[in-house]
Amino acid sequence: DIQMTQSPASLSASLGETVTIECRASEDIYNGLAWYQQKPGKSPQLLIYNANSLHTGVPSRFSGSGSGTQYSLKINSLQSEDVASYFCQQYYNYPNTFGAGTKLELK
Amino acid sequence: EVQLQQSGPEVGRPGSSVKISCKASGYTFTDYVMNWVKQSPGQGLEWIGWIDPEYGSTDYAEKFKKKATLTADTSSNTAYIQLSSLTSEDTATYFCARTGTGSPGDWFAYWGQGTLVTVSS
Repeated sequence: DIQMTQSPASLSASLGETVTIECRASEDIYNGLAWYQQKPGKSPQLLIYNANSLHTGVPSRFSGSGSGTQYSLKINSLQSEDVASYFCQQYYNYPNTFGAGTKLELK
Repeated sequence: EVQLQQSGPEVGRPGSSVKISCKASGYTFTDYVMNWVKQSPGQGLEWIGWIDPEYGSTDYAEKFKKKATLTADTSSNTAYIQLSSLTSEDTATYFCARTGTGSPGDWFAYWGQGTLVTVSS
């Protein structure tokens, strides 16, 4: 199985700040990567797919980039409603696998 | 609007089975694969498997092959997961999730609200 290593595990940032979360795959996943946001007690919500495509309705302050084994999610101008956990997922290879998550809090 | 409405929380005795439903609306049920994902308390996400409602074909992660059974009823646009031989390790929230396109190897564009399964004697 492809291992997804996500960093950092937790992150504290101020309103208006730019935040970056990284995900490293154990082998090339050819942009088969998605990012999800999960708020406490809620289901994950898709933010980004195919490494850099914004899902319908997701604010443009979210963006994804990367290639090969290294990918990142960037949140520009952090808002209070962005406090959540974030997960990456590779779906390039069977079985699809998730990163362990990054918990984002306000400083 | 795509919606996936899951059944309510379940409590199961060790060794018993539970069955969770996921009713789909807002799209053609047979056009998209439905996945199931497990999230243990305070933990990450694990893919369990998928079902193609049109053909009833399924695929499971190795770890869940003896634990989970996926079915679908196209007359009611509902997908199901049955968890058998429950142990404390099965205590978790279970999500159904529809893929972004019709392909099984795809991102999860829409998620149900989750169903908490608690295994307790």
